[in-house]
Amino acid sequence: NAGVMQNPRHLVRRRGQEARLRCSPMKGHSHVYWYRQLPEEGLKFMVYLQKENIIDESGMPKERFSAEFPKEGPSILRIQQVVRGDSAAYFCASSPEIDTGELFFGEGSRLTVL
Amino acid sequence: AQSVTQLGSHVSVSEGALVLLRCNYSSSVPPYLFWYVQYPNQGLQLLLKYTSAATLVKGINGFEAEFKKSETSFHLTKPSAHMSDAAEYFCAVSDARNNRLAFGKGNQVVVIP
Repeated sequence: NAGVMQNPRHLVRRRGQEARLRCSPMKGHSHVYWYRQLPEEGLKFMVYLQKENIIDESGMPKERFSAEFPKEGPSILRIQQVVRGDSAAYFCASSPEIDTGELFFGEGSRLTVL
Repeated sequence: AQSVTQLGSHVSVSEGALVLLRCNYSSSVPPYLFWYVQYPNQGLQLLLKYTSAATLVKGINGFEAEFKKSETSFHLTKPSAHMSDAAEYFCAVSDARNNRLAFGKGNQVVVIP
């Protein structure tokens, strides 16, 4: 049973380019969460999605960031016009139900903005 | 809003000695509490969780944690540190009604031979 799959594992972008990070949840999981980890910081919640719906995006920056979880295919976190401050590890997590209190994390996508 | 406080970003412990990582939480509703471990360049792995059952929770790799409501704490312990325990440890809290976790800043554990 494959775990949460994220790709790419490492991504390098120049300032102003776009970054797309993908996440395939565990089989049978319909809840997807994105977290960002900055150096020397814990993980910060960004967005919570179910299939075709954004449930909670209170942690997303107001501009340049967007997320989707289409009916078919992986969840995608998109960062437009990247800046150096976007350099971080982005983790995706999934859960089968909302009330289990447990998330299963992927290995993360590490974005470096030059 | 829920939050977690972990003090002491770096913790050094001798091999075979007690590992103690402190976590205090703030929550307006009965919380779910978690400890996750992160090895270099990897994702987070669940060590253990408290979800309103037994207050002493046993996890993987010999770790355990005790929920103390009166102290709003959920400290993580392991009686005898092993070299393989060197990693970063995160405490997290969530509202029992959703899975949105609030993480502490983490403790980087170094095990000294």
